[in-house]
Amino acid sequence: QQQVKQSPQSLIVQKGGISIINCAYENTAFDYFPWYQQFPGKGPALLIAIRPDVSEKKEGRFTISFNKSAKQFSLHIMDSQPGDSATYFCAATRGTSYGKLTFGQGTILTVHP
Amino acid sequence: GAVVSQHPSRVICKSGTSVKIECRSLDFQATTMFWYRQFPKQSLMLMATSNEGSKATYEQGVEKDKFLINHASLTLSTLTVTSAHPEDSSFYICSARELGQGFDEQYFGPGTRLTVT
Repeated sequence: QQQVKQSPQSLIVQKGGISIINCAYENTAFDYFPWYQQFPGKGPALLIAIRPDVSEKKEGRFTISFNKSAKQFSLHIMDSQPGDSATYFCAATRGTSYGKLTFGQGTILTVHP
Repeated sequence: GAVVSQHPSRVICKSGTSVKIECRSLDFQATTMFWYRQFPKQSLMLMATSNEGSKATYEQGVEKDKFLINHASLTLSTLTVTSAHPEDSSFYICSARELGQGFDEQYFGPGTRLTVT
């Protein structure tokens, strides 16, 4: 019940295209859903996060869509750029877990120029 | 703001020796710090949660006697890998949660690459 399932495992997109990464969770107690970007040999960096009281959040080219009833959320990267090539992780946590994050398996995004 | 550093960034040690990794919050005080382990092309696996001044809470399957965690101040946590073996070779990442803020946001360090020969 603590799992967060992420798909696809890898994704190849042309420059200017839309990258879409999906995550699904089972634990309805999760109430914070961040997305992280990780470059090789570096630590993850927070991209954008959402709470279940909104269905969408947009920051620049990055948008999270959240479907509470389906227990799914997704990251959309608009106008994808080669510099976006990285591994993306979704995660989830709940208020009583003192910040413990449950991570998805990760998606390796490659954006071709 | 909200910068977390780790030292060293890379370390190579011989089998049987111990290695200490430091995690520092540079511009904020951290109530809680987390230690993760990441194998190549895999996700982050939480090893333990440490709170300043108290014992760390280890995840199931993590040997507390092998991975010693000390959170001596609000800006420093250390992970010591004792009697390291080649299977301990991994990328170790810490994160910190800021004191006084909501529980949600964590800031990650740049990671430490440990290679045990």
